[in-house]
Amino acid sequence: AQTVTQSQPEMSVQEAETVTLSCTYDTSENNYYLFWYKQPPSRQMILVIRQEAYKQQNATENRFSVNFQKAAKSFSLKISDSQLGDTAMYFCALKNSGGSNYKLTFGKGTLLTVNP
Amino acid sequence: DTEVTQTPKHLVMGMTNKKSLKCEQHMGHRAMYWYKQKAKKPPELMFVYSYEKLSINESVPSRFSPECPNSSLLNLHLHALQPEDSALYLCASSQHGTSGVLRDEQYFGPGTRLTVT
Repeated sequence: AQTVTQSQPEMSVQEAETVTLSCTYDTSENNYYLFWYKQPPSRQMILVIRQEAYKQQNATENRFSVNFQKAAKSFSLKISDSQLGDTAMYFCALKNSGGSNYKLTFGKGTLLTVNP
Repeated sequence: DTEVTQTPKHLVMGMTNKKSLKCEQHMGHRAMYWYKQKAKKPPELMFVYSYEKLSINESVPSRFSPECPNSSLLNLHLHALQPEDSALYLCASSQHGTSGVLRDEQYFGPGTRLTVT
């Protein structure tokens, strides 16, 4: 069975500062995808960033970047220049590739509040 | 266009009612999903449709009945629900790879907030 652990239930950061959200995972597969999803209060869940396990280079999307450590099974999200609109629940998720793998395994989430 | 739409946005129903939730996507995705999400919790997978056929049922009670009329639409029929079924119901879709393997990221709709009284 695969698991995803987010050890920080809640975090806060001041506007314009940098914050890092932690995620560790466990899977017996060698090929898989990792994702960070953002769900603002009462709003739609959107994909923030994705990482293919076979790629050593860390994914980056504008102010969002990841630190992917495959050996340590760690996948943290760094948000630079935090904005008020970044306030949301952030979910780390894992999906194995291949076969009939359909399931996204989510962590419990980290509630991030950006303060003005 | 990476949009998944869901209707209605809000639904209040009694335990004896029958209602349906609707989901639509026009991204050409051939895999569609229903999730249930409680407040401040991650989504829980309910059903997966692959090429309009039910592929996965995560042991969901029969009072929830999914339907996939075509490749763009997904319905969830509700009957005789319980108050504990009150939740946000999310629809999602994703692409298939060339080998038919379910791929990558799922795109989520805004959800239907269901209250069972």
